[in-house]
Amino acid sequence: EAGVAQSPRYKIIEKRQSVAFWCNPISGHATLYWYQQILGQGPKLLIQFQNNGVVDDSQLPKDRFSAERLKGVDSTLKIQPAKLEDSAVYLCASSFSRDRGYEQYFGPGTRLTVT
Amino acid sequence: GDSVTQMEGPVTLSEEAFLTINCTYTATGYPSLFWYVQYPGEGLQLLLKATKADDKGSNKGFEATYRKETTSFHLEKGSVQVSDSAVYFCALSEVFGSGTKLNVKP
Repeated sequence: EAGVAQSPRYKIIEKRQSVAFWCNPISGHATLYWYQQILGQGPKLLIQFQNNGVVDDSQLPKDRFSAERLKGVDSTLKIQPAKLEDSAVYLCASSFSRDRGYEQYFGPGTRLTVT
Repeated sequence: GDSVTQMEGPVTLSEEAFLTINCTYTATGYPSLFWYVQYPGEGLQLLLKATKADDKGSNKGFEATYRKETTSFHLEKGSVQVSDSAVYFCALSEVFGSGTKLNVKP
């Protein structure tokens, strides 16, 4: 079974530039998550999708971050414009269901450096 | 809102020592609890889970018991190995603790 795919793996941009990350979840997984993980901290949920609908985006900085999940499969997360404090690893995860008993499967992450 | 608190690291142990990593939570309702592990250079992966009170999750010699009365889900292993060196995260569905780094010395 293929895992969660993410690209790119690394990205370096200057502040005020824009960047986009892509995620392909495990086939058949209805729920998709984007997390931000700052060095030395645990993952922080940015947005959760159920199929192609948003379930929770309460911690997404909507003035600069946006995300979509077209057709309920792949997803993109965009930052525009980037700030220095956006430097982090962006993790995508998927699960079979958003029912709380289901575990999440994580991709390798995208390490973003904003200079 | 929901929250997870886990002991700060790093934790340094000698091989074959007993491991405990404390985790407590605050939540409404009846959440499921998870331990995820991140080995060096790898992504986060599930270590074990428990979905209701008094359940014990176990995997690879690790165990954790869902204690509703103390709102805890402490991770234990009787004899750690060098290969257990990693960062361990306690989680309450989408809410993660800050992680505890474990270093095991031969």
